Amino acid sequence: GAGVSQSPRYKVAKRGQDVALRCDPISGHVSLFWYQQALGQGPEFLTYFQNEAQLDKSGLPSDRFFAERPEGSVSTLKIQRTQQEDSAVYLCASSLQPGGNSPLHFGNGTRLTVT
Amino acid sequence: DQQVKQNSPSLSVQEGRISILNCDYTNSMFDYFLWYKKYPAEGPTFLISISSIKDKNEDGRFTVFLNKSAKHLSLHIVPSQPGDSAVYFCAARNSGNTPLVFGKGTRLSVIA
Repeated sequence: GAGVSQSPRYKVAKRGQDVALRCDPISGHVSLFWYQQALGQGPEFLTYFQNEAQLDKSGLPSDRFFAERPEGSVSTLKIQRTQQEDSAVYLCASSLQPGGNSPLHFGNGTRLTVT
Repeated sequence: DQQVKQNSPSLSVQEGRISILNCDYTNSMFDYFLWYKKYPAEGPTFLISISSIKDKNEDGRFTVFLNKSAKHLSLHIVPSQPGDSAVYFCAARNSGNTPLVFGKGTRLSVIA
């Protein structure tokens, strides 16, 4: 497909479990972003990759959150020891240019529910 | 502290009339502004943008206006159509490798 693909679409985890969320960006897109969207809120920045380099992780809420993009394409967001406040939609976005001067293309997100 | 504010959580407009969605920002370093549209269970999709060197950008039925002195931008949709019903997010960034900052969104309902 031509768009950003995220999997799984829905994930239910028991509190304390680890989860891994996958993002396949648009082919050739240099920049990749992860955002967290809580219910009734706008997307909030988590982390940014330029190719395989994680240039900004200032938005990660705790050291339980970890993201990687080892080959500069697919990215994984991992959350360890999930807690109820981690319940949200996790959005991945990619853009052609470094830094995001070109508009971001979002995937449909992964809805994480921690019970 | 919210740097991008959309103070109206919802807006209802009749089909064919103008929809005006508003956005205020506090960071004077922001120089690029975007509007995204989001349908349920989908990711946001880019709609229109404006650079701080302009005060207006138009694309078909959509026009974005920027008032830098007031730190305010607005999105005008005319004529509004039922398919425009969605949540609209205002977003902003400054130069360099800085992430987009989003508002909380405004839910637009266009009534036939």
